[in-house]
Amino acid sequence: EAGVVQSPRYKIIEKKQPVAFWCNPISGHNTLYWYLQNLGQGPELLIRYENEEAVDDSQLPKDRFSAERLKGVDSTLKIQPAELGDSAVYLCASSSHGTPDTQYFGPGTRLTVL
Amino acid sequence: DAKTTQPTSMDCAEGRAANLPCNHSTISGNEYVYWYRQIHSQGPQYIIHGLKNNETNEMASLIITEDRKSSTLILPHATLRDTAVYYCIVPGLYSGGGADGLTFGKGTHLIIQP
Repeated sequence: EAGVVQSPRYKIIEKKQPVAFWCNPISGHNTLYWYLQNLGQGPELLIRYENEEAVDDSQLPKDRFSAERLKGVDSTLKIQPAELGDSAVYLCASSSHGTPDTQYFGPGTRLTVL
Repeated sequence: DAKTTQPTSMDCAEGRAANLPCNHSTISGNEYVYWYRQIHSQGPQYIIHGLKNNETNEMASLIITEDRKSSTLILPHATLRDTAVYYCIVPGLYSGGGADGLTFGKGTHLIIQP
């Protein structure tokens, strides 16, 4: 069974440029999460989707970050414009409805903003 | 989520059992204890979870004290590939069928020595 797929794995951009990350969850998983992980810290939740609905986006900086999950499968996280402090690893995870705390993570996208 | 406390780092010799402690004194009666680990440059990986009874799977064993205020993750025969950050998490109870994202702390950096 394929795991959570994320792309790109690495991204280097200049500040003020836009950037987008893509995630394909495990087939059949209704819940999708985006996490942010700064160096030396544990992941922090940015947004959670139940199917195509964002049910918890309280930690998403809405002035520059946006996310979507069209058709309740793949998801895209966007930053526009990027700032130096956005350099981090962006992780996507998914879980099934019956076991929400057993989450399966992708490898992450490491973003470097110059 | 209930607060958890873990040592910052631990060493273990290859082939020996690695015992990782976690304190969660504020855990409530219906909250589970989850363990994840994160190998360098990878996303977190689910290991095991439990409520009251000891649990074992192909990766590890989980021992939860009778008062449920602490637990120990046991890797019975540690290998170099077990070097990782190990997170002990007590997800909050949820309602409506959904769940909050996981709250990761800083975890325990386990180093397996050859």
